Amino acid sequence: DGGITQSPKYLFRKEGQNVTLSCEQNLNHDAMYWYRQDPGQGLRLIYYSQIVNDFQKGDIAEGYSVSREKKESFPLTVTSAQKNPTAFYLCASSPNGRGGNQPQHFGDGTRLSIL
Amino acid sequence: AQSVSQHNHHVILSEAASLELGCNYSYGGTVNLFWYVQYPGQHLQLLLKYFSGDPLVKGIKGFEAEFIKSKFSFNLRKPSVQWSDTAEYFCAVNGAPDKLIFGTGTRLQVFP
Repeated sequence: DGGITQSPKYLFRKEGQNVTLSCEQNLNHDAMYWYRQDPGQGLRLIYYSQIVNDFQKGDIAEGYSVSREKKESFPLTVTSAQKNPTAFYLCASSPNGRGGNQPQHFGDGTRLSIL
Repeated sequence: AQSVSQHNHHVILSEAASLELGCNYSYGGTVNLFWYVQYPGQHLQLLLKYFSGDPLVKGIKGFEAEFIKSKFSFNLRKPSVQWSDTAEYFCAVNGAPDKLIFGTGTRLQVFP
């Protein structure tokens, strides 16, 4: 079955450390997205990528970085500059990012906590 | 700037009650509208979508939503809820290309 795989499901980080969240899709989608979900705030867009080797900042990109070296992979790094990293992180993909009329498919998420 | 408002943060219903969740958006151009649902322990999944045509759209599990352009609204409805509808529901709008704007979500609890 095609889908989006996020790993790990739970991640713990010490203050001052960078951590990388994995997102892999086998849907052959061009566009991929990272969201952060906090209680009472819905989903907020961190970064998105419409095509390999290209990505754009979303609404809350500070303290995060991404790469898109392969079509199927879009890892997110939470850097030590992110002041409040504890959250639930969701990765999504869509066939392509243009036009806006294609639903996004979501992974199961990674819950990041600070020790 | 685009924004999405969901008026109800937490809704509690008994089984067989009717459901209506409000969603309003702010964007002056053509929009694509979505409702997503997140069941406990599961990933976010698409419930229904509106792109064009009939403003009353039907989704999975008996849900429907009506797009009212003059009111900038896309309310979600279900005539009779079940315990299995307990979940968090998110309205989303895509006006500008490439970006989906989500509302803050509505947590629905249905008691048998």
